[in-house]
Amino acid sequence: DIQMTQSPSTLSASVGDRVTITCRASQSISSWLAWYHQKPGKAPKLLIYKASNLESGVPSRFSGSGSGTEFTLTISSLQPDDFATYYCQQYKDYPTFGGGTKVEIE
Amino acid sequence: QVQLVQSGAEVKKPGASVKVSCKTSGFTFSNYYIHWVRQAPGQGLEWMGIINAGGGLTTYAQKFQGRVTMTSDTSTSTVYMELTSLSSEDTAVYYCARDPNYEWILYIFDYWGQGTLVTVSS
Repeated sequence: DIQMTQSPSTLSASVGDRVTITCRASQSISSWLAWYHQKPGKAPKLLIYKASNLESGVPSRFSGSGSGTEFTLTISSLQPDDFATYYCQQYKDYPTFGGGTKVEIE
Repeated sequence: QVQLVQSGAEVKKPGASVKVSCKTSGFTFSNYYIHWVRQAPGQGLEWMGIINAGGGLTTYAQKFQGRVTMTSDTSTSTVYMELTSLSSEDTAVYYCARDPNYEWILYIFDYWGQGTLVTVSS
């Protein structure tokens, strides 16, 4: 299995902050990477696919970059609705997820 | 609009089986693939497998092979996931989720059910 490692595991930030989350793959996955966020008690929501493509309806403050083994998710200006847990997921092979990054209010 | 509505919470004893349903609407059921993903309490996400909703072809994660069966009913646009030989480690929220591409499997998830909590306890 391809292992996915996210950092940090927890991130404290304020509304308006620029936030960056990193995801590393245990082997090259080209650009086969997706990002989701999840709020407590809710299902995950797809934000970005193929490393940098914004899912329809997702605000433009979200962006993704990277290829190979290193990827980042950036939120340009954190909004109240963005406090959640973020997961990366590779799909070069059968899907595996990172351990999650909880974005909490500072 | 696209919807996936799952069956309600279950409590099972160790060694028992559970069958979770996922009723879909808002898209052409037989054209798409449906995945199952689970999440143990306070933990991350784990992919369990996929079913071709129209043809019933399945692929299961190696971890669950021999214990999981995914089926589909085109007459009701519903997919099912049955997990046998339950242990406390199977306590989790189980999600169904649609693969967005009907021409080939992308292995990403664009629409999700609301989740079904399965609790395994003696």
